[in-house]
Amino acid sequence: SSELTQDPAVSVALGQTVKITCQGDSLRSYYASWYQQKPGQAPVLVIFGKDNRPSGIPDRISGSASGDTASLTIAGAQAEDEADYYCNSRDTSGNYWVFGGGTKLTVL
Amino acid sequence: EVQLVESGGGLVQPGGSLTISCVPSGFSVTTNYISWVRQAPGKGLEWVSVIYSGGSTYFADSVKGRFTISRHDSQNMVELHMSGLRVEDTAVYYCVTGVGVTMSYWGQGTVVAVSS
Repeated sequence: SSELTQDPAVSVALGQTVKITCQGDSLRSYYASWYQQKPGQAPVLVIFGKDNRPSGIPDRISGSASGDTASLTIAGAQAEDEADYYCNSRDTSGNYWVFGGGTKLTVL
Repeated sequence: EVQLVESGGGLVQPGGSLTISCVPSGFSVTTNYISWVRQAPGKGLEWVSVIYSGGSTYFADSVKGRFTISRHDSQNMVELHMSGLRVEDTAVYYCVTGVGVTMSYWGQGTVVAVSS
């Protein structure tokens, strides 16, 4: 198995840009996916693959990857971006999934 | 449109058993994987189990030997059978599907509470 590490909390001023990172060995083999979760709701996929957004996700949300680290960038953060963000990928065996511990994003 | 509906959650005593179900619409359980992801109160997401379209199954170490997963093709349904339940299994259980690494679609979850 493998682990994915995220900072527990990040804050950003309204309208500014924030980057949330996810680090783990499995990210050298697999792209990370990113999920947004608001209180009381199920997670929603926001980024997958190299830098792909599902329909309905604003283009101010983007993804990138380098080595063992994946990043989620929100440009021009809005109040509605305040949420928990989780990364995941396959573990090194390719059969399982692993999640990062999540990052709570606060928009000030 | 892809949707997933979970059911069967409830309150169970430690050591007890419970089966939760996932019924998808918009696709067949024989063509996509179905995975279970759980979230304990106030905690993060934890992958639990998967059944692939070919029938292979895998489990997280935390539930291996206690949970099983099965598929009922004619009913287009997947079940997660949980036994030897522990207090730490208390969580919202989400049914999830997607393509490859990506978990594209999530159900709204079913609550499993393990308490005496």
